[in-house]
Amino acid sequence: AQSVTQLDSHVSVSEGTPVLLRCNYSSSYSPSLFWYVQHPNKGLQLLLKYTSAATLVKGINGFEAEFKKSETSFHLTKPSAHMSDAAEYFCVVSDPLSGGYQKVTFGTGTKLQVIP
Amino acid sequence: EAGVAQSPRYKIIEKRQSVAFWCNPISGHATLYWYQQILGQGPKLLIQFQNNGVVDDSQLPKDRFSAERLKGVDSTLKIQPAKLEDSAVYLCASSLVRTSRETQYFGPGTRLLVL
Repeated sequence: AQSVTQLDSHVSVSEGTPVLLRCNYSSSYSPSLFWYVQHPNKGLQLLLKYTSAATLVKGINGFEAEFKKSETSFHLTKPSAHMSDAAEYFCVVSDPLSGGYQKVTFGTGTKLQVIP
Repeated sequence: EAGVAQSPRYKIIEKRQSVAFWCNPISGHATLYWYQQILGQGPKLLIQFQNNGVVDDSQLPKDRFSAERLKGVDSTLKIQPAKLEDSAVYLCASSLVRTSRETQYFGPGTRLLVL
């Protein structure tokens, strides 16, 4: 069965402090995992993805995530929050299906607030 | 490179009316997705196309929703008749190929309000 759990619906941090957005997944396969960001009134944009290469993945805008198979986690981090990071973040799991297609499930999202 | 285009951006209708959304994917992208994003929730995949064929429509409410992708490029999603619970943002995305590792590129969405 495929599922994604984002453990916090809201996270609030001060500007310049670290960011941690938590994601746990369930998959019967070797999944690909993604983090997408959605700024207000803008489309979803890829931050980073894990596709079975290096377990520590670096993305845009200083974000990174570490795939931990033993913990079924793919938490998103950033050393120092910027005001422009305020947005909603979605963790996504993608499993291969027969015929080369994919089954995709989004998490419920985490809204990041950055306090000046 | 032009992104995924969607229209209209906003639509307000009354229940039992019909509505249609249009999506133009990135040129050359074979796979196209339609998602429904209800306020406060993550996007839910409604239907996935590979060229002009349906790959997965298991979560599409087929009694009222339909979608097509003629000629393997543009796509339309239709709701007929609409219900109050269909109020949501409808997102279109495309990807170059169909594998599970592929990045999806999203359009800005169509915000639907059913009164």
